[in-house]
Amino acid sequence: GIQVEQSPPDLILQEGANSTLRCNFSDSVNNLQWFHQNPWGQLINLFYIPSGTKQNGRLSATTVATERYSLLYISSSQTTDSGVYFCAVEETSGSRLTFGEGTQLTVNP
Amino acid sequence: DGGITQSPKYLFRKEGQNVTLSCEQNLNHDAMYWYRQDPGQGLRLIYYSQIVNDFQKGDIAEGYSVSREKKESFPLTVTSAQKNPTAFYLCASSPRGWAKNIQYFGAGTRLSVL
Repeated sequence: GIQVEQSPPDLILQEGANSTLRCNFSDSVNNLQWFHQNPWGQLINLFYIPSGTKQNGRLSATTVATERYSLLYISSSQTTDSGVYFCAVEETSGSRLTFGEGTQLTVNP
Repeated sequence: DGGITQSPKYLFRKEGQNVTLSCEQNLNHDAMYWYRQDPGQGLRLIYYSQIVNDFQKGDIAEGYSVSREKKESFPLTVTSAQKNPTAFYLCASSPRGWAKNIQYFGAGTRLSVL
């Protein structure tokens, strides 16, 4: 099956800093999603981005499908951005998502 | 409000006992999914269903069972055959068409063994 690798595994920032999270995947995909899991466990869908670039406020994401990676940018980070960020992909031949291991982000005041 | 409701929020299982986790959605989504999350790890797929009265095993289906008798409901039973059931269980749903497999999640159920 498809492999999904996220980096870095852990990231600690001061409030106001910018960051880039990376997701590499091993095969062609027709679906890629970024999720944020808050400290209480709730997963929130941030982006559906199988290719191209999208922006939503301080967050933006870019997927380069031909090179099999996606980047999530967080600008002017806030303490509420803390949590785990997951990348999940669906193979072109599949019908389910495969999740990476996540990036644990801590934003300190 | 539209959404996915999981209950209970916390659940305790005794040795040899089967327990059932509830997942209900009012989003009119066709597909539903169950995931297991262990501490510090990603989500692993247990079972999924793309239509009523049909479901498929995911990566870690052993020791679990599901049913899909209604579009809005997808309960998960953790059987006594699951020897390490302590984990966080998440239910998700997704619509059909162009938005197929954009998944939306419930708040989860934390299961512990007494």
